[in-house]
Amino acid sequence: GENVEQHPSTLSVQEGDSAVIKCTYSDSASNYFPWYKQELGKRPQLIIDIRSNVGEKKDQRIAVTLNKTAKHFSLHITETQPEDSAVYFCAASTAHTGRRALTFGSGTRLQVQP
Amino acid sequence: GAVVSQHPSWVICKSGTSVKIECRSLDFQATTMFWYRQFPKQSLMLMATSNEGSKATYEQGVEKDKFLINHASLTLSTLTVTSAHPEDSSFYICSARDRQRGEGTDTQYFGPGTRLTVL
Repeated sequence: GENVEQHPSTLSVQEGDSAVIKCTYSDSASNYFPWYKQELGKRPQLIIDIRSNVGEKKDQRIAVTLNKTAKHFSLHITETQPEDSAVYFCAASTAHTGRRALTFGSGTRLQVQP
Repeated sequence: GAVVSQHPSWVICKSGTSVKIECRSLDFQATTMFWYRQFPKQSLMLMATSNEGSKATYEQGVEKDKFLINHASLTLSTLTVTSAHPEDSSFYICSARDRQRGEGTDTQYFGPGTRLTVL
């Protein structure tokens, strides 16, 4: 089955700096890669996603890049703000089982220092 | 659109009792719903995939007789934790895929989660 690894586990940046979180996946059949932001005790919120036919996607301060050959994808947050502080999860999904279940990375706790 | 609700939001029960958690898609039909479990400071672990009108598919290591899943309609899936024990205490989250977007859609919409505490 799919295995998703995520680094770093914690990340502390100064307000205004950029933050980068990286994930690798094992199943070459995976073709959908969402990123979720989760605040304590809340549901995961989809912040951006990318499909395997695209190499990069951007939405305001957030961008995701995908390297299918190397099987890794990254989340980039620019001009970080204190409200960006949360736990971020990457995930991968494959259609070949028919279920399109998500396999999550272990999470990155981002702390933006004001 | 694409709102998923869960009930209850939290529950405390005694060891040995059963607890039912409901997951509803409020404004769309969900052919497939997923149940996840999240322990403190850990990631979401998929427990099972719930398909409307058929048996759930459980992940390896998840006891199907302990975690009963029923997906009786396109908007409701239930997870029953039978004979709950303290080690079952966790945050249980469901998600749903929007049927109207076709089987190719990947986006999952998450419920708010249910915090289960077993004494």
